[in-house]
This record gives sequence, C-alpha cells and structure tokens, in this order.
Amino acid sequence: GQNIDQPTEMTATEGAIVQINCTYQTSGFNGLFWYQQHAGEAPTFLSYNVLDGLEEKGRFSSFLSRSKGYSYLLLKELQMKDSASYLCAPRDDYKLSFGAGTTVTVRA
Amino acid sequence: KAGVTQTPRYLIKTRGQQVTLSCSPISGHRSVSWYQQTPGQGLQFLFEYFSETQRNKGNFPGRFSGRQFSNSRSEMNVSTLELGDSALYLCASSLAEGGPTDTQYFGPGTRLTVL
Repeated sequence: GQNIDQPTEMTATEGAIVQINCTYQTSGFNGLFWYQQHAGEAPTFLSYNVLDGLEEKGRFSSFLSRSKGYSYLLLKELQMKDSASYLCAPRDDYKLSFGAGTTVTVRA
Repeated sequence: KAGVTQTPRYLIKTRGQQVTLSCSPISGHRSVSWYQQTPGQGLQFLFEYFSETQRNKGNFPGRFSGRQFSNSRSEMNVSTLELGDSALYLCASSLAEGGPTDTQYFGPGTRLTVL
C-alpha cells in the first residue's frame, strides 16, 4: 500500500520562500511528481524526479531522496498566484498515489 | 495541442441511477487514468487504461467500471449511484513510454452530484 505524508497548511508572505516536505512509503517506486491545484481547478504538473537530487524549474525546485522516501518542493519568490494546494504523488508502476495536499496561502 | 477534455462538466443524478463520463486524451497519448476527488479523501486512483486494456485498478467497488476505445478515448461508468459518489472525477492522460513521458496531464473534471 501507499503512505504519503505532507503538511496540511503553510502560510508565507509574498517574495518569501516556502519548502513543502513529503515523505512516502510505496510498494514500488518509479518516480515522484508534484502537482499544483488551484481551488476548483484540475491539478497541473509542476515537476518530476526519478533520480536522487535537485531538479530546478524557474521559481520551483524539487528534491528527491529515494533511500529516505523523502521529497520536497521549494517555491521561491512567492507570488499571490502561488496560493494553491500542492500535491505530492509517488508513482508505482503506472499508478500515481496522491498525498492529501498542502494548502499554501501567500499573504501580501 | 488540445488538452485533455472531459464531458459533461457537471452532472446531477439521483440515487440508484447510473452515469457515464467521457474523457478524450491529448492527441498521441495512449494511457488514460481516472481519479475521484472528494474533500475528505483527496485524490484517489480508480483505474488506468492503456491500448484498450485495464492495467491498474484502485480499491473501488465493482460499481465503478471503465473502458478505452481504439482511439484512446475512455469512458467510466458508475452504476447504482450512492450519495457518497458525489465527487469531482478527473481523467489524466500520458504517453506512458517510461520516464518523464509518463507525466499525467489532467482534464478539467466532471463534477457529479448525487441527490
């Protein structure tokens, strides 16, 4: 089975940095995805890690440690539009399992 | 390239009825996955189809079924609807060739309300 843990909520101010941690236990593993979901909308793809290390994509970076079952998403230079839910999703075979999501609120 | 499309976007049904939801993947994508999203349970995997075959199935009762056609379009069916089936049903497609091409892209979802 899958067990995915991420904080429920985080709040930060505009321009700041926020790190969302995710720990997971899966029966199999072939990659971890991060998605962003604004209220009432579908999830949109942010990043993908399959090897250990950091993947950087503009203001967003994602890190993976397979041996520790740990990943984080780093959001830099926060903007108001970054207020959303962030979903950690490890992949086992062809199936994505989603965490409950971390709601990030960006304050002016 | 057009994204994933789902129809209908909104649906209201009563208990005991059945419903069919449709998903058209991104052109060239051969894998279609279905998810149920509710405030209490989050995003839960229903099933995944590739080349008209179900490759993976989540832990949902047999009332939930699906199929995929030769053009990769997919449908999911829920029979004997229950109040607890009220949810946002999301479809996602991917190339499913391994690695980053397995990235799933989501459609806008179908909001199902069961009265």
